[in-house]
Amino acid sequence: NAGVTQTPKFQVLKTGQSMTLQCAQDMNHNSMYWYRQDPGMGLRLIYYSASEGTTDKGEVPNGYNVSRLNKREFSLRLESAAPSQTSVYFCASTQFTLHSGANVLTFGAGSRLTVL
Amino acid sequence: DAKTTQPTSMDCAEGRAANLPCNHSTISGNEYVYWYRQIHSQGPQYIIHGLKNNETNEMASLIITEDRKSSTLILPHATLRDTAVYYCIVFRAGGTSYGKLTFGQGTILTVHP
Repeated sequence: NAGVTQTPKFQVLKTGQSMTLQCAQDMNHNSMYWYRQDPGMGLRLIYYSASEGTTDKGEVPNGYNVSRLNKREFSLRLESAAPSQTSVYFCASTQFTLHSGANVLTFGAGSRLTVL
Repeated sequence: DAKTTQPTSMDCAEGRAANLPCNHSTISGNEYVYWYRQIHSQGPQYIIHGLKNNETNEMASLIITEDRKSSTLILPHATLRDTAVYYCIVFRAGGTSYGKLTFGQGTILTVHP
């Protein structure tokens, strides 16, 4: 059981280049999330997808776009990378329900992105 | 969601219990207390959660005060592999929360031999 898989694990970009971070989960979860973590900081939510076909902005969405390709996959795209986007990116998923007593997120191993 | 306050760092001797405190004085009645940890820049790992009763699982125990304004995560026999950043998160599950957790700075726990 792989859980949440992120690719690539490492990437170096030049300013202005574009790239897509891929995330896939095999737990049949309906909700997926993208977080970023800067050095010495906690995680900040970029975008989330409460269910297949929906996406919404989190705390720091500027400079990013997302696509919920299907129930399993949620990608994060940087159209024109900037040095401020140098960070570690984490994808997460959960089975969210409106009346759930609790929501436990499962995280991927992270994608470390450096923008020069 | 209610804010939390945690110490920046703590130390613990290997084999001893690690007690990590968290203050959440503005917690609402329908908000849960969650604990996650992050080992050396890996993805955060869920530990335990609770609403008002104390909880225990194979990893840890969670003690929530009767007024719910603070809680303590207990790792009963800390090992070197428990060295990590521990995040206390207060979160209202369900409704329109859509599972969005807010992570603070957490507590850096260092377990010494």
